[in-house]
Amino acid sequence: DIQMTQSPSTLSASVGDRVTITCRASQSISNWLAWYQQKPGEAPKLLISKASSLESGVPSRFSGSGSGTEFTLTISSLQPDDFATYYCQQHNTYSRTFGQGTKVEIK
Amino acid sequence: EVQLAESGGGLVQPGGSLRLSCAASGFTFSIYGMSWVRQAPGDGLEWVSAISNSGGITNYADSVKGRFTISRDNSKNTLYLQMNSLRAEDTAVYYCVKGVVGYYYMDVWGKGTTVTVSS
Repeated sequence: DIQMTQSPSTLSASVGDRVTITCRASQSISNWLAWYQQKPGEAPKLLISKASSLESGVPSRFSGSGSGTEFTLTISSLQPDDFATYYCQQHNTYSRTFGQGTKVEIK
Repeated sequence: EVQLAESGGGLVQPGGSLRLSCAASGFTFSIYGMSWVRQAPGDGLEWVSAISNSGGITNYADSVKGRFTISRDNSKNTLYLQMNSLRAEDTAVYYCVKGVVGYYYMDVWGKGTTVTVSS
């Protein structure tokens, strides 16, 4: 099975900061990577698919990049609504593995 | 509006069984593959199982293989998860999730139903 590893596990940042989260796959997954945002008590929300394709309605401050085994999610200017946990998910194979999550906290 | 509404969660003893249901609305259910994803308390997301749009292809995580069965009734726009031989480690919120045609990612999530396995 493909393993997904996110870093950091927790990130402390301030409103307006540029934030980058990294996701690494245990083997190449081409660009088959999705990013989700989850707020406490809520279901996850799809932000990005195919590594860099922004979902409709997602603010343009979110962007994704990468291919092969290394990927990043960037928030260009952190807003109060962005404090949440972010998960990557490989969609290269049916097993749909998730990363362990990155919690973005208020500094 | 696309909506997914899970039901059937609850408290069950170890070794017991439970069947989850997910009522879908707002889209043509029979076109899309569906999945179940779970989240243990304070933990991350774990994909559990998926089913093709017709129901002819099913996949399972190793952690539930042989114990859980996914199925669907396209005439009722409903997805199911039959869970047998439940263990304490199956305790989680179970989300019903809509797939995207041709891809293995998921674009719409239900609110989830809680399963607690405890004596």
